Amino acid sequence: DTAVSQTPKYLVTQMGNDKSIKCEQNLGHDTMYWYKQDSKKFLKIMFSYNNKELIINETVPNRFSPKSPDKAHLNLHINSLELGDSAVYFCASSQGTLSGNTIYFGEGSWLTVV
Amino acid sequence: QQPVQSPQAVILREGEDAVINCSSSKALYSVHWYRQKHGEAPIFLMILLKGGEQKGHDKISASFNEKKQQSSLYLTASQLSYSGTYFCGAFSGGYQKVTFGTGTKLQVIP
Repeated sequence: DTAVSQTPKYLVTQMGNDKSIKCEQNLGHDTMYWYKQDSKKFLKIMFSYNNKELIINETVPNRFSPKSPDKAHLNLHINSLELGDSAVYFCASSQGTLSGNTIYFGEGSWLTVV
Repeated sequence: QQPVQSPQAVILREGEDAVINCSSSKALYSVHWYRQKHGEAPIFLMILLKGGEQKGHDKISASFNEKKQQSSLYLTASQLSYSGTYFCGAFSGGYQKVTFGTGTKLQVIP
């Protein structure tokens, strides 16, 4: 069983479209994240939810909207896609919000905007 | 601001040793280390908490100096499987916000 699973793995879409990426974790964790990894391989946090509550919201355009229907799921919806949104998006989870908690990553969703 | 890692890239022959450094401009409560292979998710290696502790796993170990806001990852007798990009993750307090470093690409060749 995959601990953190996200779909789709690959997504190619045109500028201006709206798309969603879904994420589910079966680890029983109460904290979930979205990270973006750009072409330079920098991993940057976008959002974090703890028990369905948004706790971290980095400087991300309003076109990106996360939704957490329950603590095992965190979806990412992106409106009006732009070329610069092309990246790998990683969902992740951890137990709690303390410094010593391991972060488990999903396999990533490769988004290409053309 | 993300932690700065050095070197940016390194090529090793099997059996050689390497050190990857991670330096933060902010005070650190803990440092995480992850390895990411091409096309895959980052995988957890270890966490070092405040207290200057050193941890090890097989032939990979790390140290954390919170006064200097630095951590180092030591790879000894490298194996081909060590190839990948290594990231340090800095936790500076507050909610679980781990800021990942700039990454170090390590390639081990036969």
